[in-house]
Amino acid sequence: GAGVSQSPRYKVAKRGQDVALRCDPISGHVSLFWYQQALGQGPEFLTYFQNEAQLDKSGLPSDRFFAERPEGSVSTLKIQRTQQEDSAVYLCASSSVDPTFNYGYTFGSGTRLTVV
Amino acid sequence: AQKVTQAQTEISVVEKEDVTLDCVYETRDTTYYLFWYKQPPSGELVFLIRRNSFDEQNEISGRYSWNFQKSTSSFNFTITASQVVDSAVYFCALSEAPYGNNRLAFGKGNQVVVIP
Repeated sequence: GAGVSQSPRYKVAKRGQDVALRCDPISGHVSLFWYQQALGQGPEFLTYFQNEAQLDKSGLPSDRFFAERPEGSVSTLKIQRTQQEDSAVYLCASSSVDPTFNYGYTFGSGTRLTVV
Repeated sequence: AQKVTQAQTEISVVEKEDVTLDCVYETRDTTYYLFWYKQPPSGELVFLIRRNSFDEQNEISGRYSWNFQKSTSSFNFTITASQVVDSAVYFCALSEAPYGNNRLAFGKGNQVVVIP
């Protein structure tokens, strides 16, 4: 597609419930990132994929967070046993490694997760 | 470790006034990249500019201008003759690589409110 697409746009989960957030990057983009943005804060890095390989997951806050990108395109961020502190906007970004591509990272509109 | 500081949290200006957003960064790398993004209420991060550490030329794009001062580790952003559509949160960010190979470290953002 023309941009990075994320779904759902909004998600309300009861504490303890598992959730799955989807990211559809720009076609052909090799790199994919997940960020977490708490209310009133800047986005914080969670994890990075290059194609299907998860090269950096150092930002995942706990082992309840898991991300995958099995075919090197669509990615899913899964949060198990959600807690109130997981409430945030989850942003996905993709990027080409082509140095002639000047936009750098393209972000989706995010999924706003509210845990009640 | 990389760090980005945006000291002003909320800035209100009357339409047609100029507004300058300060960004100070820390990095041990000699090669790095600086970005500004705009986040309107819709939530998507909109790319505004990318600047590499070897290019200290200031840049102007329409009503937007950027002042990169390597000596003071600052990358400030000015909106000239502000308009209501400029109301948004603006983020400064730092990366060791411009395209897809490294995470972005964001500041906390500046909320700009343009009063008609």
